[in-house]
Amino acid sequence: GAVVSQHPSWVICKSGTSVKIECRSLDFQATTMFWYRQFPKQSLMLMATSNEGSKATYEQGVEKDKFLINHASLTLSTLTVTSAHPEDSSFYICSARTQNPTYNEQFFGPGTRLTVL
Amino acid sequence: AQSVTQLGSHVSVSEGALVLLRCNYSSSVPPYLFWYVQYPNQGLQLLLKYTTGATLVKGINGFEAEFKKSETSFHLTKPSAHMSDAAEYFCAVRNTGTASKLTFGTGTRLQVTL
Repeated sequence: GAVVSQHPSWVICKSGTSVKIECRSLDFQATTMFWYRQFPKQSLMLMATSNEGSKATYEQGVEKDKFLINHASLTLSTLTVTSAHPEDSSFYICSARTQNPTYNEQFFGPGTRLTVL
Repeated sequence: AQSVTQLGSHVSVSEGALVLLRCNYSSSVPPYLFWYVQYPNQGLQLLLKYTTGATLVKGINGFEAEFKKSETSFHLTKPSAHMSDAAEYFCAVRNTGTASKLTFGTGTRLQVTL
């Protein structure tokens, strides 16, 4: 089956620093990748959608200058949390989808837990 | 616009009992419907999905769900709960367009007791 990996699985950083999270599709080409944020005991909230080679489309209320998304290849997308603050602490999950018509679902990564001190 | 409502944020069943997790959706066009499971500190794993065809869909780990268009529902069931089923379950809906996005319900935490 399709596998999506994320790195790191967890990260602790100081307030004001930047953190980069990688999302890779291991055995398929992901034309579209999604970044979600999940607070404790809550559902997933879509932050942005990125298509390979294009600028990401951010959901309303998500600061694009704070959450930088790059989707430079068909197997890699990165989310950089710039100048992180404690309120950015959360569980970040990426997801990938291919345009292959036989695949109708998104494949999710294992998530990255970010803690900002 | 599309939305998903999961009735019951927390469901508790005894081991061996029937599991029923409710999901109702709202969509202007026939949707794709999904159930995902999330274990603590992990990503989402697809349990099952409905796209077209048979309305009773069987998934992994003995789960199944039935798409009922007249009731706009997609409830998840399992005849006999196992301790390992304890997790968070999310229902999601997506329109059939390739550019459409998943919309998740708020989730239901399943607790399985002895």
